[in-house]
Amino acid sequence: ILNVEQSPQSLHVQEGDSTNFTCSFPSSNFYALHWYRWETAKSPEALFVMTLNGDEKKKGQISATLNTKEGYSYLYIKGSQPEDSATYLCAPVSSNTGKLIFGQGTTLQVKP
Amino acid sequence: DGGITQSPKYLFRKEGQNVTLSCEQNLNHDAMYWYRQDPGQGLRLIYYSQIVNDFQKGDIAEGYSVSREKKESFPLTVTSAQKNPTAFYLCASSTQQGVAFFGQGTRLTVV
Repeated sequence: ILNVEQSPQSLHVQEGDSTNFTCSFPSSNFYALHWYRWETAKSPEALFVMTLNGDEKKKGQISATLNTKEGYSYLYIKGSQPEDSATYLCAPVSSNTGKLIFGQGTTLQVKP
Repeated sequence: DGGITQSPKYLFRKEGQNVTLSCEQNLNHDAMYWYRQDPGQGLRLIYYSQIVNDFQKGDIAEGYSVSREKKESFPLTVTSAQKNPTAFYLCASSTQQGVAFFGQGTRLTVV
């Protein structure tokens, strides 16, 4: 089973602050990396799917990078807004099984 | 609207009883999944199905059973053999590219 670590576990920032979190996973056993956003009382929704080393994806003020050689991905939020408050889940896809392996998530709280 | 529907949202079960959680999708996805979430942990895979009439155990299948008689439906039964059934259960389906779409979840409590 892939061991997926996300850090920090939780984060509190002020509106307007920029922030980033990390997803770490064994670099040799995956072929894609997904990020999902999970807002309270809603379903998790896909943010990004990345496959290539050095891949960078952007959606509004949120962006993500992928380093497949060292086994990590960063998620950045520039100028956080209260509506960015959510749990952010990363999920590498195992190259052995094709299944998503979820980290425990980073919970972001943005205070107005 | 296309999506995944889980029901009920909250479920209470007495110890020793089986209970079935419903999951329906109208996204025309072949693959469907059941995950369990416990506090402080990531989503853990219980069962998954890549196609109708076929399913495989995930990482924590003991005490659970599923069926996949129709493409749209993937019900999960929590049996009395599941020692710690109180948890939040999420159903998902995925595109051919593997992007998952989730339901809103069912919170099961054993009383």
